[in-house]
Amino acid sequence: TQLLEQSPQFLSIQEGENLTVYCNSSSVFSSLQWYRQEPGEGPVLLVTVVTGGEVKKLKRLTFQFGDARKDSSLHITAAQPGDTGLYLCAGDDGQNFVFGPGTRLSVLP
Amino acid sequence: DTAVSQTPKYLVTQMGNDKSIKCEQNLGHDTMYWYKQDSKKFLKIMFSYNNKELIINETVPNRFSPKSPDKAHLNLHINSLELGDSAVYFCASSPPSYYEQYFGPGTRLTVT
Repeated sequence: TQLLEQSPQFLSIQEGENLTVYCNSSSVFSSLQWYRQEPGEGPVLLVTVVTGGEVKKLKRLTFQFGDARKDSSLHITAAQPGDTGLYLCAGDDGQNFVFGPGTRLSVLP
Repeated sequence: DTAVSQTPKYLVTQMGNDKSIKCEQNLGHDTMYWYKQDSKKFLKIMFSYNNKELIINETVPNRFSPKSPDKAHLNLHINSLELGDSAVYFCASSPPSYYEQYFGPGTRLTVT
């Protein structure tokens, strides 16, 4: 059983569509991060959320931390081919720092 | 300047050999990590090293050993390589708060 679950596992959409991916856990996290990883490279930090209910925006990306700090979502508006990659959430529950299994997003032109 | 660098980028070796992967960070971070990413892209922490305190993931075989000559470097030494060690290994570092990870480009290890 993984500490962090991500859904969907795979997502393929057309350019211009909107999408949301999810990161869920039964544990409470003091902080949670989102990363994007492109083929052949290391993950790159996108955002850190620390307060329950917090919403952060990064251009077309909107990140939300659940009120109970057990889950998070990433919403992308008007997806572009450059958004293609593996999206990973990661968090610290006070005992462990773990990564979720990722959502592989493919945005087709 | 590259924040976190790793060498080599690719490493192909035979079973039973001993190899090392080097990592350097110029971010001034106190904590460094080694991760293994398998073929399914699952990223699993192997070690974290902070101010000479080593925290080992208990599932990591003792053939793997991190070595830190100074705060900016954390190398990974692997003895008696096995086929199952084939993976991409990432080095990372983080500042004191929130465990934010800054990753290197990865080393693809192939054991034949």
